[in-house]
Amino acid sequence: NAGVTQTPKFQVLKTGQSMTLQCAQDMNHEYMSWYRQDPGMGLRLIHYSVGAGITDQGEVPNGYNVSRSTTEDFPLRLLSAAPSQTSVYFCASSAMNTEAFFGQGTRLTVV
Amino acid sequence: GQQVMQIPQYQHVQEGEDFTTYCNSSTTLSNIQWYKQRPGGHPVFLIQLVKSGEVKKQKRLTFQFGEAKKNSSLHITATQTTDVGTYFCAGRSSNTGKLIFGQGTTLQVKP
Repeated sequence: NAGVTQTPKFQVLKTGQSMTLQCAQDMNHEYMSWYRQDPGMGLRLIHYSVGAGITDQGEVPNGYNVSRSTTEDFPLRLLSAAPSQTSVYFCASSAMNTEAFFGQGTRLTVV
Repeated sequence: GQQVMQIPQYQHVQEGEDFTTYCNSSTTLSNIQWYKQRPGGHPVFLIQLVKSGEVKKQKRLTFQFGEAKKNSSLHITATQTTDVGTYFCAGRSSNTGKLIFGQGTTLQVKP
């Protein structure tokens, strides 16, 4: 099993550009989520999904879209990148009420 | 909405000293989880507590879940340099299933 695969590992964007962060898991987990990590702010939940076809907003959803067309994939889309979205992004998956498995993270810089 | 607060934000200890981090939720939790993130890495699951008043031990680490299921603590006895990292608590909402993280406590251990 590969676990949670997150791509890319590093990305530099110009302000206003759009991009998609990919996340895939092969553990048949129902629950998937995206977090951003900023110094002193911990891990803040952006969007999450409790199953295919179901998504919901987390703590900081503005500027991001998600979709869950399959159990395995949960991409995160930045619609129009802003410098405030410079961060480290983590995707995580879990079975309901069990431990979360994290991807390796994407370090995004918006200039 | 659900909030999880964690203190302290930073802790510097001499090797061999004890360390404690505290976690408080604004709402009652179905369970609480603890994660460790090494510098440059991703969060890795340590343990999950489910029952009111539960205490679990992993070698030098002791985890507690409060009677009201709104607070938790992690205590490390006789810290070692391998304990360096950021420790996060995360509360799972019984209503939505979303996992909300505290801000984390970064532990530095001086040899």
